[in-house]
Amino acid sequence: DAMVIQNPRYQVTQFGKPVTLSCSQTLNHNVMYWYQQKSSQAPKLLFHYYDKDFNNEADTPDNFQSRRPNTSFCFLDIRSPGLGDAAMYLCATSSGRQETQYFGPGTRLLVL
Amino acid sequence: TQLLEQSPQFLSIQEGENLTVYCNSSSVFSSLQWYRQEPGEGPVLLVTVVTGGEVKKLKRLTFQFGDARKDSSLHITAAQPGDTGLYLCAGARGNKLVFGAGTILRVKS
Repeated sequence: DAMVIQNPRYQVTQFGKPVTLSCSQTLNHNVMYWYQQKSSQAPKLLFHYYDKDFNNEADTPDNFQSRRPNTSFCFLDIRSPGLGDAAMYLCATSSGRQETQYFGPGTRLLVL
Repeated sequence: TQLLEQSPQFLSIQEGENLTVYCNSSSVFSSLQWYRQEPGEGPVLLVTVVTGGEVKKLKRLTFQFGDARKDSSLHITAAQPGDTGLYLCAGARGNKLVFGAGTILRVKS
């Protein structure tokens, strides 16, 4: 089945220690998104890629970076995680910018 | 500023009751999605509505898109404990989704 896969599902890191979260998709979608979601709140868009074109949200901290080496994979790098970065990180894909987004299962990040 | 107002924020009901969740905006959306999310999981797409006035049914769930494509509702008939979760509406504007704040639904048996 075509799907959005996120690894790992749970990630524990130390304060200030860089961490990378990964997302892959078998949908062959052009657009990949990264969201941050805190407890029972709506997801907050961090950035998205339209093909190789990177689009950062204005209020996304510099601490968050992303890479998309090919159509299928996209990575979220948190350079120096703080306690406030503990959250669920969601990857989503869509065939176009105004098309339906399909979410992965998320990675829950804990910062100690 | 919340561009998409979702209500109610919390809903706790008994099994078998009916409920409606609303999403309202002063802005027009090209489409609107409804998602359901369980704790520790990602949002799962329930439906996409595109046409003003459109009504879609998914078993006991009925989704409606307003004629002006500014608002939407989700009605659940005879709620079951398995319906428990966070319900999110999201409207497509420009190149991104605008999310409502979510409705936490708890259905007690």
